[in-house]
Amino acid sequence: GAGVSQSPRYKVAKRGQDVALRCDPISGHVSLFWYQQALGQGPEFLTYFQNEAQLDKSGLPSDRFFAERPEGSVSTLKIQRTQQEDSAVYLCASSLFGAGRDTEAFFGQGTRLTVV
Amino acid sequence: AQSVTQLDSQVPVFEEAPVELRCNYSSSVSVYLFWYVQYPNQGLQLLLKYLSGSTLVESINGFEAEFNKSQTSFHLRKPSVHISDTAEYFCAVSSPDQTGANNLFFGTGTRLTVIP
Repeated sequence: GAGVSQSPRYKVAKRGQDVALRCDPISGHVSLFWYQQALGQGPEFLTYFQNEAQLDKSGLPSDRFFAERPEGSVSTLKIQRTQQEDSAVYLCASSLFGAGRDTEAFFGQGTRLTVV
Repeated sequence: AQSVTQLDSQVPVFEEAPVELRCNYSSSVSVYLFWYVQYPNQGLQLLLKYLSGSTLVESINGFEAEFNKSQTSFHLRKPSVHISDTAEYFCAVSSPDQTGANNLFFGTGTRLTVIP
């Protein structure tokens, strides 16, 4: 596709439910990032993949959060046993090169998760 | 560690008036600096970036920002705003010295509202 695609655009989950958020990066992009944007805040880094390798997951807020990119393209962010504080917009971004290169990150429109 | 401060959460300005959106950063290492714009119901888009070289960088739609190392600032300016500039603006920083990803650290955003 022409840009980064995320699905679903909106997700309402009952507290305790598991959710899976999908990101389709731009074809051929090496790097993939997940960010969490709470209401009124800027995006905060969650995790980073270089191809299929998850090189940094330091931003994941708890062990209920899990991300994968098994074939180095599509990525899934999974949240287990959702809590109200997980309500946020989850942004995915991809960039052509890996770390340390002059490269622009392209963002998807995000998935708005509301936990009720 | 890096951090970004955007002091103004909302900036209303009349059409064709000048505007400045402030951004200050803190970092113990050299940095890349970015401004992203988010129009309603759209993803984050890169507006302009400073990597090295000239401290004044410009976008194609008339915005400019100047990297000031001594003041650790990267304020965004436009001499004459249009209605279409109404959006949320995020300042971000990353470090080219990181061995991991060029993770972006975002400010909390400034909502620019252009008044007809």
